[in-house]
Amino acid sequence: AQKITQTQPGMFVQEKEAVTLDCTYDTSDPSYGLFWYKQPSSGEMIFLIYQGSYDQQNATEGRYSLNFQKARKSANLVISASQLGDSAMYFCGMGQAGTALIFGKGTTLSVSS
Amino acid sequence: DAGVIQSPRHEVTEMGQEVTLRCKPISGHDYLFWYRQTMMRGLELLIYFNNNVPIDDSGMPEDRFSAKMPNASFSTLKIQPSEPRDSAVYFCASSLARPFYNEQFFGPGTRLTVL
Repeated sequence: AQKITQTQPGMFVQEKEAVTLDCTYDTSDPSYGLFWYKQPSSGEMIFLIYQGSYDQQNATEGRYSLNFQKARKSANLVISASQLGDSAMYFCGMGQAGTALIFGKGTTLSVSS
Repeated sequence: DAGVIQSPRHEVTEMGQEVTLRCKPISGHDYLFWYRQTMMRGLELLIYFNNNVPIDDSGMPEDRFSAKMPNASFSTLKIQPSEPRDSAVYFCASSLARPFYNEQFFGPGTRLTVL
């Protein structure tokens, strides 16, 4: 069965530092997509970054990058130069055609000045 | 584009009442998803549609829940009768093709409280 695991319930980082949010997944299907969403305290779900299982290079979007290690089944989110506005809940998700899109329990990131 | 629109944004009702949540996906998107978010269970997919047809409703908790998509620009999620354990934030999301390999755009959510 497909599964997403986020083991860090909370992370703390200072402004301008980099932070890595962990995500591991489990699937037997070779074709899948991995997503990260941000949920600030206002509640909306904001798409950050996507990685396809066949993509050769790690995805990057501005200050966000996805450290994709296929053999280890991990898809960690790296945020460089953290900002106060990065304080939020972060969800890792996995999608596969024909099955449900599933999310991890989330990691709360707190950025301090 | 206005994004995914959900209404109402907040709903407070009493146990046993019927609740209807509404969603307008982004124009041109052919996939629509309903999710539920609770502290205990996190973010769960309830049902999704492709071209107005329900594809997977295995996440729908029980017969009290039903969802429809009568046309490409409107979907409803109905709970009848509602129970306190249905209290949650319900999100609608839409996607343009290959939704498991592309971004899903989420609406702002409906916060439902059942007393």
